[in-house]
Amino acid sequence: EVQLVESGGGLVQPGRSLRLSCAASGFTFDDYAMHWVRQTPGKGLEWVSGISWSSGSLAYADSVKGRFTISRDNAKNSLYLQMNSLRAEDTALYYCAKGFGLKPTDAFDIWGQGTMVTVSS
Amino acid sequence: DIQMTQSPSSLSASVGDRVTITCRASQTISSYLNWYQQKAGKVPKVLIYAASSLQSGVPSRFSGSGSGTDFTLTISSLQPEDFATYYCQQSYSTPLTFGGGTKVEIK
Repeated sequence: EVQLVESGGGLVQPGRSLRLSCAASGFTFDDYAMHWVRQTPGKGLEWVSGISWSSGSLAYADSVKGRFTISRDNAKNSLYLQMNSLRAEDTALYYCAKGFGLKPTDAFDIWGQGTMVTVSS
Repeated sequence: DIQMTQSPSSLSASVGDRVTITCRASQTISSYLNWYQQKAGKVPKVLIYAASSLQSGVPSRFSGSGSGTDFTLTISSLQPEDFATYYCQQSYSTPLTFGGGTKVEIK
């Protein structure tokens, strides 16, 4: 079964850091780009970051550029999002999503269940 | 950044109705347009990719059309399980961007 399982969310104070992880199974992880997409409760979807199959191409939303870092470990079938200098507006449900192809410009065909990040003092 | 504008933001329709949702890009995106369905409390699901390609397992009552800047998602005969929020997303260039969503409600 193709599956993505996120972890690492929680309550964190503004200005602090958090690292999200996504464990992939059921497909050849290093054949696909991977992404993080977030959703504020009751609101729409916002793409956060994407990474190509080889980690050679990284991309970020303007709202997180310079604060968040995406990475992957193909040997461990895992995707990560290092989030620094967190702000209240980063509060959201963070989804890990699989791209259709190799590059980080694509649709997302598999989504995890999400991990909630709450930034509050 | 490419802005995606969906209309309407919500609509009420009856079972059996034909429903059309529109998505407009702020610049040309060729056919790099995807549609997702999200039911309440659930994870988004891709319906259409590359503007008009039906994702495997998606019912044929869903169809997509358009290219350039204007795109349409059509549900030919609305079913009870289709009541949800629909999002368009451009994959032409990063940052990837979504439309604001269209909530389809029961009339």
